[in-house]
Formats: sequence, structure tokens, C-alpha cells
Amino acid sequence: ELKVEQNPLFLSMQEGKNYTIYCNYSTTSDRLYWYRQDPGKSLESLFVLLSNGAVKQEGRLMASLDTKARLSTLHITAAVHDLSATYFCAADGSSNTGKLIFGQGTTLQVKP
Amino acid sequence: KAGVTQTPRYLIKTRGQQVTLSCSPISGHRSVSWYQQTPGQGLQFLFEYFSETQRNKGNFPGRFSGRQFSNSRSEMNVSTLELGDSALYLCATRRVWNTGELFFGEGSRLTVL
Repeated sequence: ELKVEQNPLFLSMQEGKNYTIYCNYSTTSDRLYWYRQDPGKSLESLFVLLSNGAVKQEGRLMASLDTKARLSTLHITAAVHDLSATYFCAADGSSNTGKLIFGQGTTLQVKP
Repeated sequence: KAGVTQTPRYLIKTRGQQVTLSCSPISGHRSVSWYQQTPGQGLQFLFEYFSETQRNKGNFPGRFSGRQFSNSRSEMNVSTLELGDSALYLCATRRVWNTGELFFGEGSRLTVL
């Protein structure tokens, strides 16, 4: 059974600092997703990682995938307050379906 | 381009009642999945529909059901509501033949009293 675990679950950081969120998954997956959720809002798709070694960047966020280690990372560079949100990773377990298994989420708080 | 539309956005029901939630996918998206989000259990998959057929089902009791229409719109129904059904219900849609990226709607927030 596919399990997805994120750490840390809560992250408080100062503006301008760098940090990494880790996402481990337990079985082979074809796709690894990262989503952002603001309080009371829906999930916004950030990245879809499809293959080993995939790296995608958007602004201050960069995501990577190591399928051998079953690990994805979301790196935050020079954090700004607007990045404060909850970040979820999710894997599909090689099902190529709409069934995703989500991690617990990492709540990021960026302080001015 | 219009996003995923869910209705109603908010609703309050009492125990024992039933509820129907609706989801209209992005144009061209034929797969519709439903998720339940609660503070305690996080995001959990309910079911997925494609071409009016249920493709996958999560570990929820039979009180949770869904269907998809020929225009890809989907509904989910929860019967005999329990307090624990209070949650944000999210619909996600995708094309089937590309990256499989899922796009989520704004959700329907159900409160059961």
C-alpha cells in the first residue's frame, strides 16, 4: 500500500532564508505532484514530476525527484511572506489514474 | 479558460440527511476524481469516474456514492450523514492522455450538525 510522508510538518522561517521540504513515498510511482493550499482555499498545482532526476523550477520554488530513493524535495529559495501556505506532495503509485495518495502537508510560515 | 466548478460551495445539513455535490470539469477533461479533506485525516481519495464509469474507489463506506454524466459532469452523494462527514469535498479533473495533472475545484464545505 502506497504511503506518502512529508517532513517537516510545520516550518517557520525568516524571509530571505532557504529551506527544503522532503517527501518520501513507499512504492513505485509514475508521477509525483506538488500542490499549494492557502487557508480556506483549494489546491493549486505547482509541479508534476514524471521521471527520475526531473527538476522543475518556478520562481523561488524548485522541485526534484529521485525515483530510486523514492524521494522528492521542494526547495524554497530566499523565502518571502507570500509563500506562506500549506504544501502537499502526492504520488499516484504507477496507477495513471486520478487516485493520488497525499502526504500530511507542510505548513510554511514565512515571517517578515 | 474556465476552471473546475463545484456547487454548492457551502452547506449545512443535520445528521441522517443526505447531500448531493456537483462538479463541472474543465473543458476537455474527462476524468473526475473526488477527495475528502479533514483536519484529522488529511486528503483522502473517494472515487474517480471516466466515461461515466467508476475507475477507482477509496476506502469509504457505501454511503458515499457518485456518478458521471455523458458531458463529464459528476455528482457525489452522501446518504445518512454523520457528524464525521463534515469536511471539504474537493473535485479534481484531468485529461487522461498527457501528464495526468489534476486540477482542483474550490471545494464544497459540508458541515453536519
